[in-house]
Amino acid sequence: EAQVTQNPRYLITVTGKKLTVTCSQNMNHEYMSWYRQDPGLGLRQIYYSMNVEVTDKGDVPEGYKVSRKEKRNFPLILESPSPNQTSLYFCASKQGPGGYTFGSGTRLTVV
Amino acid sequence: QKEVEQDPGPLSVPEGAIVSLNCTYSNSAFQYFMWYRQYSRKGPELLMYTYSSGNKEDGRFTAQVDKSSKYISLFIRDSQPSDSATYLCAMSPSGGSYIPTFGRGTSLIVHP
Repeated sequence: EAQVTQNPRYLITVTGKKLTVTCSQNMNHEYMSWYRQDPGLGLRQIYYSMNVEVTDKGDVPEGYKVSRKEKRNFPLILESPSPNQTSLYFCASKQGPGGYTFGSGTRLTVV
Repeated sequence: QKEVEQDPGPLSVPEGAIVSLNCTYSNSAFQYFMWYRQYSRKGPELLMYTYSSGNKEDGRFTAQVDKSSKYISLFIRDSQPSDSATYLCAMSPSGGSYIPTFGRGTSLIVHP
C-alpha cells in the first residue's frame, strides 16, 4: 500500500530534550515536506526537500532541523523542544506538481 | 491579505443537501488547484486535483476553477454524514518547487 509512515503517533516530552520524528514513504516521491497544524492557523510548512541532500526552509523553520540522506526518509529533529512547539505534525510526499500524500500525524506535547 | 482565503465555518447542512465550499486567492501564478479532506485526528487526503481553469467531476464531487476571478469551488452533491470533515483548498504555481499554499480549511457538518 502506498503510504507515508511517521512515528511516533503521540509524544509527550520535556522542554530541552532532543527528539526525532521519523517519516518514511514507499512511493519513490521526490518531494517531501513537514507541516505543523495548529487551531486557527491551518497547515504551516516547516521544511521541505526536493530530493536527496536538497532541503529548504518553509514558513516556520525556527527550532527544527531536517535531513534527507535517502529518498524515502525525511526525519524531523527538534534539538531543544519548547512548549510553543506543541502541535500536530504531518509529514507528506509528492511527485512533481501532484498533490501530497500525508502521513497520519504526530501529536507532540512539550511540557 | 493572505494568499489563500477560506471561510473556516462551520458549515452545517442536512443530509442530501448540495454543499458549496470556496476559496479565493491573490497569486495569479497559481496553476494547480487541489482539495483535501481531513477527518478529525487524521492526515489530510487528496480529494480533487485540477490544472488551470475548468471543471472536474468525480462521483458526487465537482471541483471548479475560475482563474479570471481567482476563485475555486468544491461542490458535494447528495451530502452524507460521512462527508463531515474539514476541507482544505490548496494551490501551487507551475514550475519550481510546486510548493502548495493551503487555505485554513472549512469545517463541514452534515447532520442526518
